[in-house]
Amino acid sequence: EAGVTQFPSHSVIEKGQTVTLRCDPISGHDNLYWYRRVMGKEIKFLLHFVKESKQDESGMPNNRFLAERTGGTYSTLKVQPAELEDSGVYFCASSQVQGGIKTQYFGPGTRLLVL
Amino acid sequence: GQNIDQPTEMTATEGAIVQINCTYQTSGFNGLFWYQQHAGEAPTFLSYNVLDGLEEKGRFSSFLSRSKGYSYLLLKELQMKDSASYLCAVRPARGKLIFGTGTRLQVFP
Repeated sequence: EAGVTQFPSHSVIEKGQTVTLRCDPISGHDNLYWYRRVMGKEIKFLLHFVKESKQDESGMPNNRFLAERTGGTYSTLKVQPAELEDSGVYFCASSQVQGGIKTQYFGPGTRLLVL
Repeated sequence: GQNIDQPTEMTATEGAIVQINCTYQTSGFNGLFWYQQHAGEAPTFLSYNVLDGLEEKGRFSSFLSRSKGYSYLLLKELQMKDSASYLCAVRPARGKLIFGTGTRLQVFP
């Protein structure tokens, strides 16, 4: 079974540019989460999709961040325009909705550097 | 607020036992997770506790005391490959995880 995949693995952009990150969850996982780790800090929650619906977006920093999950499969996270403080590692995780302990399985992350 | 504390760094010797502690204060509690993360890789699931007590899984065990807001991860028969960061995370309700900053463990020969 394929794990959570994220693209790109790294992105270097200039302040003011736009970047779009993509996450493909584990097949059959309706829960999809975005997290971010800024250097030296803990991993912080950004938002949670159940299928295509935003269940919780309380962690989104501001309106420069837009997350979508059209069709309830893969998700994108767009940052527009990017600022220096957006640099960090963006993780995606997915879990089942029904049954079990609903463990969140993480992707390898996208390392974003805004110059 | 939500707060999870764990030591920043620990060192241990190959073959030894190490205990990584985690204390938490969260608005709710629906489970505590431990993840292992090697540098540049995805956090990988190690263990889950929702009831008080010890959960054993091979060389790794995890303990939970909900009344004390306390958990630990116990690693036995340490191997060099166990050098990694260990992340404690609490799920306050259904959904998101709240993470600690992680404990970087270095295992020496």
